[in-house]
Amino acid sequence: DVKVTQSSRYLVKRTGEKVFLECVQDMDHENMFWYRQDPGLGLRLIYFSYDVKMKEKGDIPEGYSVSREKKERFSLILESASTNQTSMYLCASSGGQNQPQHFGDGTRLSIL
Amino acid sequence: DQQVKQNSPSLSVQEGRISILNCDYTNSMFDYFLWYKKYPAEGPTFLISISSIKDKNEDGRFTVFLNKSAKHLSLHIVPSQPGDSAVYFCAASAGQGGSEKLVFGKGTKLTVNP
Repeated sequence: DVKVTQSSRYLVKRTGEKVFLECVQDMDHENMFWYRQDPGLGLRLIYFSYDVKMKEKGDIPEGYSVSREKKERFSLILESASTNQTSMYLCASSGGQNQPQHFGDGTRLSIL
Repeated sequence: DQQVKQNSPSLSVQEGRISILNCDYTNSMFDYFLWYKKYPAEGPTFLISISSIKDKNEDGRFTVFLNKSAKHLSLHIVPSQPGDSAVYFCAASAGQGGSEKLVFGKGTKLTVNP
């Protein structure tokens, strides 16, 4: 089974802090994704990556950046956290075209 | 503009009956469709998918139907069980150009009553 592991289940940070969310997958997948989920809005794509050191903006990239230095690891960075970035963050990976994305359990991030 | 729509925010059914969750899409380039189930405080779990070359795909109690002309798909759960109570997300992707991006609907909360 695909295993996608997010480093923290719950995280509390303060406004203005730089926040790192880490994600690791164990299936040698090329593609990795970061989403946020908010009530009534579904899942919205923040950034994704098709390969090491490669990244592409999703639908809501403002205020975020990403890093993919190794194939198995994809990090989401909140450059200067703000309260409107309080959300559930979900990482996913997939093995190729027309393959399902597999998700981690999520990180519930609160910015105070 | 929402490209994938789940117009019913919630659905309640009795145990043993059929659950039908619906999803509409607007982008005719979508050619791969998926359903995910999500419990609170967990990540979405992949349930079933269908390619646009098919109109039906079945896996145990779960069947997905695709009507391309109507740009509509549905997930049937038969028989429904209390453990099926969760939020269900429909998702779609356009495979041309190698894009792996999924576009998600906003979800339908299914409650199966014992």
